[in-house]
Amino acid sequence: EVQLQESGPGLVKPSQSLSLTCSVTGYSITSSYRWNWIRKFPGNKLEWMGYINSAGSTNYNPSLKSRISITRDTSKNQFFLQVNSVTTEDTATYYCAYTYYGYTPFAYWGQGTLVTVSS
Amino acid sequence: IMLTQSPATLSVTPGESISLSCRASQSISTNLHWYQQKPNESPRVLIKYASQSISGIPSRFSGSGSGTDFTLNINRVEPEDFSVYYCQQSNSWPYTFGAGTKLELK
Repeated sequence: EVQLQESGPGLVKPSQSLSLTCSVTGYSITSSYRWNWIRKFPGNKLEWMGYINSAGSTNYNPSLKSRISITRDTSKNQFFLQVNSVTTEDTATYYCAYTYYGYTPFAYWGQGTLVTVSS
Repeated sequence: IMLTQSPATLSVTPGESISLSCRASQSISTNLHWYQQKPNESPRVLIKYASQSISGIPSRFSGSGSGTDFTLNINRVEPEDFSVYYCQQSNSWPYTFGAGTKLELK
């Protein structure tokens, strides 16, 4: 069974960078699938942020493209999210999730991690 | 692609049968999925491709629609169904979600 687990700081100061890790067990991130980051804002809005696929290619939401980077460490079977120049509007619960190739839903999600941007 | 869900909140009593709506700003064929999210849990897929069932999901959940108009039906709401429901399109990037419908106890 594929499992995903997010980790990272729960508090980030404005203008700094937010960095999160998604650790994957039960499946190699280089075998297949797209490995995504999604966030849920206070008030329930969900936003897809971007993905890195099994070949290492990335695709980002244009609303975030200038501030976001998704990378991976295949030796640790982890992928990462970095969001630069954060503001209080980046306060959200961040989820990692994977999708199969094609027009598929977000099949499995991590439990999520709350990140608060505050001075 | 914008997804508009209605109503924003629906107050019902257990045993009622309900319909939730999701409307897309342009045609998305049947590339529309429904999720349920309970407090402090991750979203889980209830219905994929507008009407396809998911293994392990109770049969009281069903979906319909294509193009721009979609519906999630819950036949005889159970107490554990009170949560937030989202639709999501996978027709084109960036994938987008609706704002959600909160199903609450009347």
